[in-house]
Amino acid sequence: KAGVTQTPRYLIKTRGQQVTLSCSPISGHRSVSWYQQTPGQGLQFLFEYFSETQRNKGNFPGRFSGRQFSNSRSEMNVSTLELGDSALYLCASSGLIYNEQFFGPGTRLTVL
Amino acid sequence: ELKVEQNPLFLSMQEGKNYTIYCNYSTTSDRLYWYRQDPGKSLESLFVLLSNGAVKQEGRLMASLDTKARLSTLHITAAVHDLSATYFCAVEQLIWGAGTKLIIKP
Repeated sequence: KAGVTQTPRYLIKTRGQQVTLSCSPISGHRSVSWYQQTPGQGLQFLFEYFSETQRNKGNFPGRFSGRQFSNSRSEMNVSTLELGDSALYLCASSGLIYNEQFFGPGTRLTVL
Repeated sequence: ELKVEQNPLFLSMQEGKNYTIYCNYSTTSDRLYWYRQDPGKSLESLFVLLSNGAVKQEGRLMASLDTKARLSTLHITAAVHDLSATYFCAVEQLIWGAGTKLIIKP
């Protein structure tokens, strides 16, 4: 069974640009969550989607948005990038609500 | 504000020893998760604890949940080098602890 895949794996952008990250969950999984990991703030929850609906949202500014498609693939978008957005962005999928999550390898975003 | 506190944040121990990582949280919840992260890698699910008194064991690791005390523990028995990693607890997978970096020396 293929795991969670994230593209791209590495990304370099400049301040003010926008970026879109993609996540393909494990086949059959309908829940996708996104997290930001930085050395200073640790792991922070961004949002969760289930069957194309946002179920939960973390405490991030509106520049961070996401969506989920009918095939459960998800994208997150960050507009007007700031230096502080440099982070590892992790996507995780799960098959059942409250069940264990399976994480992708992450997208390393660097904002210059 | 929901907070999750892990301690210790750093632990260096010898192989063969036992130790416990603590995860305290500030609100009522009966969903607690433990994950492992190796350097430069993503996260791996270890345990899902979904009720008060839940106890789960896998190899040398055992996790428990006391929802009344708002406390979860991850106990390591007879540590081996391969268990060196950073361990995270998460409440409802929304709020995460800072992580415990565990180094096990031969």
